[in-house]
Amino acid sequence: DAKTTQPTSMDCAEGRAANLPCNHSTISGNEYVYWYRQIHSQGPQYIIHGLKNNETNEMASLIITEDRKSSTLILPHATLRDTAVYYCIVMNYGGATNKLIFGTGTLLAVQP
Amino acid sequence: DTAVSQTPKYLVTQMGNDKSIKCEQNLGHDTMYWYKQDSKKFLKIMFSYNNKELIINETVPNRFSPKSPDKAHLNLHINSLELGDSAVYFCASSPQTRLPSGNTIYFGEGSWLTVV
Repeated sequence: DAKTTQPTSMDCAEGRAANLPCNHSTISGNEYVYWYRQIHSQGPQYIIHGLKNNETNEMASLIITEDRKSSTLILPHATLRDTAVYYCIVMNYGGATNKLIFGTGTLLAVQP
Repeated sequence: DTAVSQTPKYLVTQMGNDKSIKCEQNLGHDTMYWYKQDSKKFLKIMFSYNNKELIINETVPNRFSPKSPDKAHLNLHINSLELGDSAVYFCASSPQTRLPSGNTIYFGEGSWLTVV
C-alpha cells in the first residue's frame, strides 16, 4: 500500500506556481521522498527526490518539512504541458528490493 | 535515442492467445522492471530483475513469465491471455536494485494490451 496521501486533484493557472502537497506521516529515517508524474498516455517521468533537505532542479523544487511528515512539490511557472498526474512516493534506498509503490496521485490541471 | 523502449506499443489479441512484449534499455542499467497499469489507473510492480536474476515477483499469475536474456533486455511473455490482462504494461530500468541518492527509475512509454 502507498504510504502517502495526496489531494485527488488541483487546478493551477498557466504561468503561476503549482504547489502540490503530500503527507507521509509514517516515513522512516532511511526513506526518501520521490516525485514522479504521468502525462496522459505516457510513461511515468521522474521529477525530483529528497531525504531531509529541500531540493531544486530544472523541473521543480521539493520542500520537506523539518519533521519529514509532509512535503510540497513546487512547479515555479506551470505550463499547459505540466497537466499530469503527480505521484508522491516514499521509498527505502538501502534495501535489496527497491520498488516504487504508486498511490492515486494528484491530477494537476493547468488552466490557460 | 529512446532510453527505455518497448514493443509493440499497441496489441489487440484474442483470449487464450500467447503474446510477448519486448523491452530494451540503452542506459547501461543493472535493474529492469515490469509495471502494470489497470483500467483504474493504478500502477503496480510485477517483476524486477537485476543482472538477469529475478529479484521481485509480486504474486503475478504464472501465466506471466519474464525473460531476461541479458541485462539490457527484459521481455514479458503472457500465456493464455484473459480479458483481465487488458492493461498498459510499462517497462522500467534503474542503475541497481539499491537506490542511493541520485538514482532513479526510468520508464518506457508503455504497451497497450487489449484482450478481446
